[in-house]
Amino acid sequence: KAGVTQTPRYLIKTRGQQVTLSCSPISGHRSVSWYQQTPGQGLQFLFEYFSETQRNKGNFPGRFSGRQFSNSRSEMNVSTLELGDSALYLCASSFGVLGGALNTEAFFGQGTRLTVV
Amino acid sequence: SQQGEEDPQALSIQEGENATMNCSYKTSINNLQWYRQNSGRGLVHLILIRSNEREKHSGRLRVTLDTSKKSSSLLITASRAADTASYFCATDAKRDSNYQLIWGAGTKLIIKP
Repeated sequence: KAGVTQTPRYLIKTRGQQVTLSCSPISGHRSVSWYQQTPGQGLQFLFEYFSETQRNKGNFPGRFSGRQFSNSRSEMNVSTLELGDSALYLCASSFGVLGGALNTEAFFGQGTRLTVV
Repeated sequence: SQQGEEDPQALSIQEGENATMNCSYKTSINNLQWYRQNSGRGLVHLILIRSNEREKHSGRLRVTLDTSKKSSSLLITASRAADTASYFCATDAKRDSNYQLIWGAGTKLIIKP
């Protein structure tokens, strides 16, 4: 069974540009969640999608957005990039929704390392 | 803000020794998960323990959960060089009727040969 695939693996962008990151979940998984990891802030939850609906969103500005397609693949978009957006962006997929009594494990991709210059 | 806090922040031990990491959290949870991350790569799921469980084992891993103290520990027995990694705990926290995973800052484990 293929794991979670994130593309691209590395990206260098200039301030003010926008970027789109892609995540293909494990086959059969309907939940995709996104996280930002930086040395200073650690892992921060961005948002979760389940069956094409955004279920929850973390404390990030509106420049960060996402969507999920009918095949469960997800994209994350960051507009008007700032230097502080440089981070490792991780995507995770799970069979069920995150958290709660029915929580199932989240499986992560290798991440996209975004550098904003 | 971070829900979980791991301690120690860093741990260096000899190969073959046991390693213990702790995680504390602030609000009530349904589940707590432990993950491993090798240098700048994706996270690997290790174990999930539910709030009604006190202990769980998986190979050389042993996780305990004390909901009264809002804390969990991860024990790695007979450590190997390949265990060198950062270890994170993640708890589910309810925000606006839905859940999100809240992460600790991680423990950096170094196994010396």
